[in-house]
Amino acid sequence: NAGVTQTPKFQVLKTGQSMTLQCAQDMNHNSMYWYRQDPGMGLRLIYYSASEGTTDKGEVPNGYNVSRLNKREFSLRLESAAPSQTSVYFCASRKTGGANTGELFFGEGSRLTVL
Amino acid sequence: DAKTTQPPSMDCAEGRAANLPCNHSTISGNEYVYWYRQIHSQGPQYIIHGLKNNETNEMASLIITEDRKSSTLILPHATLRDTAVYYCIVSAPNTGNQFYFGTGTSLTVIP
Repeated sequence: NAGVTQTPKFQVLKTGQSMTLQCAQDMNHNSMYWYRQDPGMGLRLIYYSASEGTTDKGEVPNGYNVSRLNKREFSLRLESAAPSQTSVYFCASRKTGGANTGELFFGEGSRLTVL
Repeated sequence: DAKTTQPPSMDCAEGRAANLPCNHSTISGNEYVYWYRQIHSQGPQYIIHGLKNNETNEMASLIITEDRKSSTLILPHATLRDTAVYYCIVSAPNTGNQFYFGTGTSLTVIP
């Protein structure tokens, strides 16, 4: 039982390049989230997906797109990377509906540097 | 925007209780209070959550005021390994609602 798995763990991009961060969870959770964390800052919500087939903007969605491919997978795409997107990206999942705690489970993070 | 307010930093002597406050004056009736912590640059770790009653688990205790507008996380016997950033979040558990972290409290446990 791996929990939440993010790939890649590290990536260096040049300005203008594109890339996709992958996230998969094996806990059968309904909701999934993408956060970014800049040095010395808290986590900021980029996008979230309340359930398969739906996605919504969070606090800082500009410059990103997401895809909820199926219940397990939620990807984050940078179409044209900018140095301001240098950050650590965290994916999380959460079971919602019914009797549950609603607790978030996090991946280990993906460290992205844009030159 | 985050719905909670926390002090940016606190110190605590090793072995003493650490009391971390959180204000959430706009909390809705169906929203729970969650606490997480983040050590170094790891993914945040769940600590505890509650609706209106005080809660205790093996990691911490959560005290929620009667009007639910504030809460306190208590680490009963702080150790050096409890040095971390602690986040207080309010969210409804049965929806996929946005889960905002805010800036948290940086707790330093002093030997």
